Amino acid sequence: DAKTTQPPSMDCAEGRAANLPCNHSTISGNEYVYWYRQIHSQGPQYIIHGLKNNETNEMASLIITEDRKSSTLILPHATLRDTAVYYCIVRVAEGQNFVFGPGTRLSVLP
Amino acid sequence: GAGVSQSPRYKVAKRGQDVALRCDPISGHVSLFWYQQALGQGPEFLTYFQNEAQLDKSGLPSDRFFAERPEGSVSTLKIQRTQQEDSAVYLCASSSRQGRNEQYFGPGTRLTVT
Repeated sequence: DAKTTQPPSMDCAEGRAANLPCNHSTISGNEYVYWYRQIHSQGPQYIIHGLKNNETNEMASLIITEDRKSSTLILPHATLRDTAVYYCIVRVAEGQNFVFGPGTRLSVLP
Repeated sequence: GAGVSQSPRYKVAKRGQDVALRCDPISGHVSLFWYQQALGQGPEFLTYFQNEAQLDKSGLPSDRFFAERPEGSVSTLKIQRTQQEDSAVYLCASSSRQGRNEQYFGPGTRLTVT
């Protein structure tokens, strides 16, 4: 079973920031938080990951709480092409498979 | 550079037929994963290879499912005597031992068993 919980769906206005929450209250100290997204009819796409520090790349920012029990993926300026299912996953090491939950279906509205 | 490719993209099989799904990982990636994704659900792990060694096949749903990666690059997922419940998208992912360990997914093969 997935070790994360996410809201099933969210809406965001185009051009605004999309903030996607994820709870992972049972995360272990050596587990990373990964975010992937899946646009319709495509394979999942890596977005970002982190251990305990906040991370930022060209796609998004990842904010992890100090106790590491939750995190938020931030898309700073959502576009229509960001409409997708977003998956939050915790994983400990290279070689382990990802355990996907149902994710959050983000709809970016014009 | 080239990403993970999968073929065919779509496959329709009659119940009872055997099918073979191919995955070409990113060149040099040592780890390869197969996932099954039913409609409306997240992907579910099937099996994992490190080079040519199949290190984990705990997710294969039955002995009708078989995967191989004989030379440590291309992998084939074979399903024998297909059943309707095998209808799903089959995703392949690869990752490098070095670096950030994220997995790169292919576009998937949509299998429909009629």
